[in-house]
Amino acid sequence: QVQLVQSGVEVKKPGSSVKVSCKASGGTFSTYTLSWVRQAPGQGLEWMGGIIPIFGTAKYAQKFQVRVTITADDSTSTAYMELSSLRSEDTAVYYCARGLLPMEWSKYGMDVWGQGTTVIVSS
Amino acid sequence: SHVLTQPPSVSVAPGKTAKITCGGNNFGRKSVHWYQQKPGQAPVLVIYSDSDRPSAIPERFSGSNSGNTATLTISRVEAGDEADYYCQGWDNDSDHPVFGTGTKVTVL
Repeated sequence: QVQLVQSGVEVKKPGSSVKVSCKASGGTFSTYTLSWVRQAPGQGLEWMGGIIPIFGTAKYAQKFQVRVTITADDSTSTAYMELSSLRSEDTAVYYCARGLLPMEWSKYGMDVWGQGTTVIVSS
Repeated sequence: SHVLTQPPSVSVAPGKTAKITCGGNNFGRKSVHWYQQKPGQAPVLVIYSDSDRPSAIPERFSGSNSGNTATLTISRVEAGDEADYYCQGWDNDSDHPVFGTGTKVTVL
């Protein structure tokens, strides 16, 4: 059974960057979509971007295109999401989530989720 | 980008049926998926590909997609179904997933 384990709580200053990791264990990593989804306090889910590790090229929501970089290291089955130029509005829980079936972005949804990483942006 | 609109809240008595709609997008040939999220927990996939259920999800959960509106139906509602529910579709213009606004289901 695949599990996604994310890195721990981050407290950052405005203007700085944060890099969150998501390590997969117990299953195939490289051929599945890996999305990053964030949830601000009391708010809904927001898709930020994602990657299929075997291809290495990420796609991003337009809102985050300039500030987010998503990468994956197949050798360690770990994906990363780096968010730059942090502001208070970026305070949120950040989730990684794996697609249900390989190579498919839209048909099957995201069935395995990490536990979430809380990022707090405060001066 | 598109916004998928859901009712903010739905209230239902135990044993009754709850229906949650998701609209505002021409889903076309793209599938809709549904997630349940309880406080302090990560979302859980309850319906994928419009109407399929992961094996761990009870048969009480079902889904449909008419093309313009997708619906999640929870039959014989139980107290444990109280949660936030999110639909997820596809933004054809931007070519990426998009989530609905979310619905809080309250069991009376």
